[in-house]
Amino acid sequence: DGGITQSPKYLFRKEGQNVTLSCEQNLNHDAMYWYRQDPGQGLRLIYYSQIVNDFQKGDIAEGYSVSREKKESFPLTVTSAQKNPTAFYLCASSRYVGSYEQYFGPGTRLTVT
Amino acid sequence: DQQVKQNSPSLSVQEGRISILNCDYTNSMFDYFLWYKKYPAEGPTFLISISSIKDKNEDGRFTVFLNKSAKHLSLHIVPSQPGDSAVYFCAAMYSSASKIIFGSGTRLSIRP
Repeated sequence: DGGITQSPKYLFRKEGQNVTLSCEQNLNHDAMYWYRQDPGQGLRLIYYSQIVNDFQKGDIAEGYSVSREKKESFPLTVTSAQKNPTAFYLCASSRYVGSYEQYFGPGTRLTVT
Repeated sequence: DQQVKQNSPSLSVQEGRISILNCDYTNSMFDYFLWYKKYPAEGPTFLISISSIKDKNEDGRFTVFLNKSAKHLSLHIVPSQPGDSAVYFCAAMYSSASKIIFGSGTRLSIRP
C-alpha cells in the first residue's frame, strides 16, 4: 500500500527538549511538506522540500528544522526555540511542488509541558 | 491575515438533504480552489478542485461553485450521507506558488 507514515501518533515532551517527528512516504513523490494545525485555525505551512537535499521555509518556520537526505523521508525537529510547540503536526507529499493534490499522513499530536 | 475564510465552524444536516459549505477568499489572484476532507485521527484527503476560469465543477455527489465577483466558493453535497460527516477544509493556491493556503475548516455532521 502506498502512503505516508507518521510516527508516533502521540508524543509528549518536557519544555526545553528538542523532539523529532518522523515522516516517510513510498509514493515516489518529489515534494514533501510539514504543516501545523491549531484549534480553530487552518493548516499552516512550516517547511517544504521539492527535492532531496533542498528545503524551503514556509510561513511559520521559526523554531523548527528539517532535513531531506532521502526522497522518502522528511523529518521535522521541533526545537526548544519554538515558543508554542504543542500542536497537531501533519506531513504531506505531492508529485511536485505546486501540485494541488497533496497526500497527508495521519498526523502526530505533540504535547509539551 | 486570513486569505481563505470559513466562517461556519460547524454545520448539521439531515441525511438525504443537501449540505452546503461556504468559503470566502480575499486574493483575486488565486488560480485554483480546493476542498479537502478530514476524518478524525486521519490526515486530510483531496476531494475536489476548481480552476479560477470556471464557475462550476461536479464530481458525483460533490459540486463546487465559484463566484469570482463575490470571492466566494461553495461545496454542495447531494444527497448527504452519514459517511460525509467530517471536517471540510477550503483551500486556494496560485499556479506559480509552492504552497496551498487553507481555511480553518467546517465540521459537517450528518444526522439520521
